[in-house]
Amino acid sequence: EDKVVQSPLSLVVHEGDTVTLNCSYEVTNFRSLLWYKQEKKAPTFLFMLTSSGIEKKSGRLSSILDKKELFSILNITATQTGDSAIYLCAVEFNTNAGKSTFGDGTTLTVKP
Amino acid sequence: DTGVSQNPRHKITKRGQNVTFRCDPISEHNRLYWYRQTLGQGPEFLTYFQNEAQLEKSRLLSDRFSAERPKGSFSTLEIQRTEQGDSAMYLCASSFSGSGARGTQYFGPGTRLLVL
Repeated sequence: EDKVVQSPLSLVVHEGDTVTLNCSYEVTNFRSLLWYKQEKKAPTFLFMLTSSGIEKKSGRLSSILDKKELFSILNITATQTGDSAIYLCAVEFNTNAGKSTFGDGTTLTVKP
Repeated sequence: DTGVSQNPRHKITKRGQNVTFRCDPISEHNRLYWYRQTLGQGPEFLTYFQNEAQLEKSRLLSDRFSAERPKGSFSTLEIQRTEQGDSAMYLCASSFSGSGARGTQYFGPGTRLLVL
């Protein structure tokens, strides 16, 4: 059965700390791995990763994929209270539908 | 059109009633997805449309659930004879796919359903 596992389930840090969120997967027919940020509403897209070893960056956030070891990490440096959210990892299948399977998320709380 | 919209945003219903949710995708997007999300879990895939054709349904989608996208634009998700276990956030997402390119899914704000 396809699965996506995120760790830790929750994390509490102080402003300015650096955090690393993990996502491991076991799926057939992998196409891409996506990271989303979910605050009180819908997930918003952060990154799409398709190739191993190529870091994607957006401001203080960065992510990388290891297709050999089947995992990805999401790094957030110099965290701010506005980074508090649930971070979701999803794997998109290489089928016509482009269906995605999501992990259960990591809840990040950044304290002032 | 600045994003995916969903209506209603909240719905409270009694067990046994039917409910219908609407999703309006980003206008140029040809793909539309429905997901269900419960507390502490990530979104679970329910069904997918390419234009007006429903091409895939999850086994999670019981006979009480039906989705349509009659003109390839907006979509509706209906739940008949609701059960308390149907209480969840129902998310819609859309994307564009064409000429070998596949776009990112953009999510709507969701409809939160509570079945009493």
